[in-house]
Amino acid sequence: GENVEQHPSTLSVQEGDSAVIKCTYSDSASNYFPWYKQELGKRPQLIIDIRSNVGEKKDQRIAVTLNKTAKHFSLHITETQPEDSAVYFCAASWGGGADGLTFGKGTHLIIQP
Amino acid sequence: EAQVTQNPRYLITVTGKKLTVTCSQNMNHEYMSWYRQDPGLGLRQIYYSMNVEVTDKGDVPEGYKVSRKEKRNFPLILESPSPNQTSLYFCASSLDGGDEQFFGPGTRLTVL
Repeated sequence: GENVEQHPSTLSVQEGDSAVIKCTYSDSASNYFPWYKQELGKRPQLIIDIRSNVGEKKDQRIAVTLNKTAKHFSLHITETQPEDSAVYFCAASWGGGADGLTFGKGTHLIIQP
Repeated sequence: EAQVTQNPRYLITVTGKKLTVTCSQNMNHEYMSWYRQDPGLGLRQIYYSMNVEVTDKGDVPEGYKVSRKEKRNFPLILESPSPNQTSLYFCASSLDGGDEQFFGPGTRLTVL
C-alpha cells in the first residue's frame, strides 16, 4: 500500500516569512495529492490539491508543487499570518482508488509574531 | 447545507461497554471512511466503504466494526472498547476514494 512521509513535524517561522512543508510517497500509481489544514479543536479541511498532470498549482498565498519522478510534493505558504498557525496534513491517492487517502503524520506550523 | 455529521461529539465510557458512533452525510457520496487521530500518528484509516454493503479494512481495523446499510450512514461500532481505543475519531465522505474528503466534526472518545 501507499506510504506517505511528511517533514518537518514542527515548523516555526516569523510572521511574514515563508513556510515549506515536504512530503514523499511510495506508490508511483498515486495521482491525487491534497493538503489539509486542521486548526485546534476543528476538523481537517482541504486547502489545496494537485493532480499528477500538473507540476504546480497556486491559490493566493499557498502553492503546491509536485515532482512525480522523485515522488515528492510540497506545500508553500508565503507571507505567513497568525491565522496560518495549524496542523497541516499531506495525503496521496490514486484516482478512484478503493483505499482512499493515505495521510502523512502532520506538520505543526507555528507563526511567531 | 452539505455536511457530514457525527454523534456523539464527546463520549466517556468504561472498558467492555459496547458503543456506536454514528456518521451521516447528505452529499450522496459513495465513499465513506473512518479515521482515528492520535498525537504524533496523524490520521489512520480504520475502515472504509465504497458503496452500500461494501466495506473493507483500513490500516487499524482491530477492535472495530462498521456497516453500510444505507448510502448516507456509516456507523462505527466498538463491541468491547478498551483504553487503547481512547482517541479522536473522524468520519469522512467523498465522491470516490481518490477525491476530496469532507470530514465530520469529530468524536472524542475516552475509555476508562
